[in-house]
Amino acid sequence: QVQLVQSGAEVKKPGASVKVSCKASGYTFTSYYMHWVRQAPGQGLEWMGVINPSGGTTMYAQKFQGRVTMTIDTSTSTVYMEMSSLRKEDTAVYYCAREIQPHAFDIWGQGTMVTVSS
Amino acid sequence: QSALTQPPSASGSPGQSVTISCTGTSSDVGAYKYVSWYQQHPGKAPKLMIFEVSMRPSGVPDRFSASKSGNTASLTVSGLQAEDEGDYYCSSYAGSNNVVFGGGTKLTVL
Repeated sequence: QVQLVQSGAEVKKPGASVKVSCKASGYTFTSYYMHWVRQAPGQGLEWMGVINPSGGTTMYAQKFQGRVTMTIDTSTSTVYMEMSSLRKEDTAVYYCAREIQPHAFDIWGQGTMVTVSS
Repeated sequence: QSALTQPPSASGSPGQSVTISCTGTSSDVGAYKYVSWYQQHPGKAPKLMIFEVSMRPSGVPDRFSASKSGNTASLTVSGLQAEDEGDYYCSSYAGSNNVVFGGGTKLTVL
């Protein structure tokens, strides 16, 4: 079946970097854009950016430009999201999500909890 | 971009209808037909309920309907059921490959 499986929870210190993976299966990986969305504890959803698995072009929300990098590995149908210079405010669940229709996300990963704490 | 504006809470009794609003600007909700709605249950990933303003994905009950007028989109849940309880988020395309979400509405079935 179509699914996105993300890597496990991470605990990082302020100033460190984190890299979260999202492995796709059950569909043609290069046919659908992949987005990243985060959700701080008790808060709403926040769009972070998008990557085109066919070619690797990216677009990031202005808030994350310079601090987030999204990459792909087509050999393993995996998308990665790396965030640097982590702050306590980056503590959140990070989701990857497949874009099925323009700017609508039909398949979501299970989420990866990233905790930034000294 | 600023988040879209949703009421923090909404409620209704089983069988009733409830409508959740989502207000943006002429640069996002008002400019494009790409408004989506998501349902999220505690500890779970969001689920797509509506795309392109009013389209339902396969498997979403027709009790869920949506529309848009100007800069405001709306989601209506008719015939409320206990399993409809959860958080609902709207989202909109905002140009230049950007997407913006609403702050979320907690729907309570009384």
